[in-house]
Amino acid sequence: EVQLVESGGGLVQPGRSLKLSCAASGFTFSDYNMAWVRQAPKKGLEWVATISYDGSSTYYRDSVKGRFTISRDNAKSTLYLQMDSLRSEDTATYYCARHPNWGQGVMVTVSS
Amino acid sequence: DIVLTQAPLSVSVTPGESASISCRSSKSLLSSKGITSLYWYLQRPGKSPQLLIYQMSNLASGVPDRFSSSGSETDFTLKISKVETEDVGVYYCGHRLEYPLTFGSGTKLEIK
Repeated sequence: EVQLVESGGGLVQPGRSLKLSCAASGFTFSDYNMAWVRQAPKKGLEWVATISYDGSSTYYRDSVKGRFTISRDNAKSTLYLQMDSLRSEDTATYYCARHPNWGQGVMVTVSS
Repeated sequence: DIVLTQAPLSVSVTPGESASISCRSSKSLLSSKGITSLYWYLQRPGKSPQLLIYQMSNLASGVPDRFSSSGSETDFTLKISKVETEDVGVYYCGHRLEYPLTFGSGTKLEIK
């Protein structure tokens, strides 16, 4: 059974950093592209970033380029999202996704 | 960016009746490989999104055949036959044709 378990969320002040992790199991992690998708409170889904199966290619939405970094450790079957210079508009539940599966999500709140 | 426009915003359905949700794309979602890159997701209250339909008309694993989808290169319809109470939630269309991946704004299905 595919499992994606996010961690690392919490309350952080604007301008600070946070690193999310997603522990994957139930499939060969190194074979799949992985993504982060977020959902602001009471809002719709918003793709954030994708990383290729081997980490050689990364893609970001414009609003997070230069602030967020997606990475992976295939030996640990873990996906990461380093979020720097956080803004209030980054407040959301962040989902780790491996098409077609989604994790349960982790909440990130950016507020002073 | 590809814009996906969903309608209606919400729909209220009597159990046993049918419901249809529309998704219109600002660009053809037909890939060079002949695949129509349109996906439908359901997010039940308090849960992560789950894939219902992939590549416009293919039922995801475990999804009841009450769900079906059809369309052209830019106009798509999700149909739910014989709606059940478990179908309550927000339905999103999304594409995987190119980056950035985008989603429709969602259609809330309620039971009368």
